[in-house]
Order: sequence, then C-alpha cells, then structure tokens
Amino acid sequence: KAGVTQTPRYLIKTRGQQVTLSCSPISGHRSVSWYQQTPGQGLQFLFEYFSETQRNKGNFPGRFSGRQFSNSRSEMNVSTLELGDSALYLCASSLVAGGPDTQYFGPGTRLTVL
Amino acid sequence: GENVEQHPSTLSVQEGDSAVIKCTYSDSASNYFPWYKQELGKGPQLIIDIRSNVGEKKDQRIAVTLNKTAKHFSLHITETQPEDSAVYFCAASKSEKLVFGKGTKLTVNP
Repeated sequence: KAGVTQTPRYLIKTRGQQVTLSCSPISGHRSVSWYQQTPGQGLQFLFEYFSETQRNKGNFPGRFSGRQFSNSRSEMNVSTLELGDSALYLCASSLVAGGPDTQYFGPGTRLTVL
Repeated sequence: GENVEQHPSTLSVQEGDSAVIKCTYSDSASNYFPWYKQELGKGPQLIIDIRSNVGEKKDQRIAVTLNKTAKHFSLHITETQPEDSAVYFCAASKSEKLVFGKGTKLTVNP
C-alpha cells in the first residue's frame, strides 16, 4: 500500500506571496492532519480534516488554511508569506477519526521564504 | 492545553548499549502516546505507540512504558545499532491533534 505523498517536496517563495501544498493520504484513510516543523518550535499541529470538514485547529493565524476533497486528498494554503513561515510542512493520515488513531506521516514539503 | 516535556535532548550511546528517553505530559485526559523516529530529510516514522489502558508494550528491541498516575512515559531501545541513530519524538493526544515533545537526538557510536 502506498504511503502518504506530499507535493511539491521543495518550494522557494518570497515574502508576500501565497503557497498551496498538497497531500494524498494512504488509501482508505479519511483523516488528514497538517503539522509545521521548525528547529525552534518543533512539531506543531496546524489543523485536521475529516470528511471534508475541519475538526481540530491549532494556534496559527488565519493566513494558514486548508481543505479536504471528497477523495480525502487535502491541501493547505498559506497567504501573505512571512520569513517565519519557512519550515517543513508535514501531512499525516489516519484510518478513522473516532480519535485518537495512529497517524502516518508523509515526507513533508520544505518551504523556504526569502 | 496539553504540554509534553521530553528528556534528554541529546543522547550518545555505544553500539549494543540500551537507550532510554523519557516524556511527561500535563493533560490527564490524554490517552494515546506514540513515538516517532525521524531521519534526516524524512518525515517522522511511527515506531511504537501505547494507549492508556496498557502499562507496557514491546516490539522486538523497542519497548514503551506508561505511568498514568505520574503522567510520564518512556521509550526503551535495547541492543542499539548505528541505524538507530536519528531524532526521536514522543507525543500525547486525546484526539487527532498530536502534541509533540521537542525531540531527542540519539547517536549510536560503532
């Protein structure tokens, strides 16, 4: 069974731009969560989607948003990029959302903001 | 909200020795405790997890123990090998929102 895939793997953007990252969960998994990983703050939860609905949200500004499609694929968007948004963005999927369930992570998207 | 503390931040052992990483959590409602291994350039990989109705779980050289009363859990790796070198993260949750510790960089010296 294929694992969680994320595209693109690397991105370079400039301040003020916006970016969209994509995540395809493991086949059959219905919950998708997003995390930001930085050297200073570690791994921080952004949000979780189940059945196209946001169920949990972390403490990030409204510039960070996401959505989930009917096939469980998910996208996250960051608008008006800031230098501090440079990070590894990780997506994780789990089978059910009765919570908490085992989450499997993708390889991440490395975003660099110049 | 939940807060997870992880110690030590770095750990260096000789091949064949054991390694122990400890975590404490603050929210007594947390009931799921996974451990992840992250190698350079890769996403975190689940190595073992435990739920609050179990006190210990073992998988070959890896074991996790949970003390709900004290709100702490630990990862034990026996007979360490150079390929165990990586950053290890503990996490706690009561939903799909995982709260992670800051990580432990484990180095296994041949």
